[in-house]
Amino acid sequence: QLQLQESGPGLVKPSETLSLTCTVSGGSMRSGYHDWAWIRQPPGKGLEWIGTIYYVGTTYYSPSLKSRVTISVDPSKNQFSLNLNSVSAADTAVYYCARPRSSSLFDPWGQGILVTVSS
Amino acid sequence: SYVLSQPPSVSVAPGQTARIPCGGNNIGSKSVHWYQQKPGQAPVLVVFDDADRPSGIPERFSGSNSGNTATLTISRVEAGDEADYYCQVWDTATEHVVFGGGTKLTVL
Repeated sequence: QLQLQESGPGLVKPSETLSLTCTVSGGSMRSGYHDWAWIRQPPGKGLEWIGTIYYVGTTYYSPSLKSRVTISVDPSKNQFSLNLNSVSAADTAVYYCARPRSSSLFDPWGQGILVTVSS
Repeated sequence: SYVLSQPPSVSVAPGQTARIPCGGNNIGSKSVHWYQQKPGQAPVLVVFDDADRPSGIPERFSGSNSGNTATLTISRVEAGDEADYYCQVWDTATEHVVFGGGTKLTVL
């Protein structure tokens, strides 16, 4: 059964770059035509899609984050990553990685990682 | 951009039926997915493609979608169903994922 686990720093300074990694276990990223995604949730608020990278390498990003975000994949490490630059307090959130499936539903999700932006 | 509207809260007594609406322009033409999120946990898919259930999700959870409203229905509500519920679609026009704002289900 596929499992996802986020990792990275829990504290990032304003104006710096937030970098997270999602490690995929229970299956090889090389074995199928899989897409991968990042979603975030500010404390006490709803879910916000950040972006999706498709197995062919195409990426789609939220229009509100597009200028600051990059999602990439490293199949050799069974990992995919999120980079969000020029962060501010508004980027404080729990960040989830997830696997999109047909009709762009997300299943499974990682457990999430809280990232706080503060000096 | 495409917008999904959910009521902030819905309350229901144990054993009764909870209905959580998700409104969107011509949402009936889209595939709607629903997630349950309990405090401190990641969201879990409970209904996909309007009305299908993943394995392991009780039959008490069902969905429908027509016109401008999709609905998640939870029959014979239990205390353990208390959670936030989010609807989600893929907007083909913009090629973006859209989430509803979420509905907090309270079991009285």
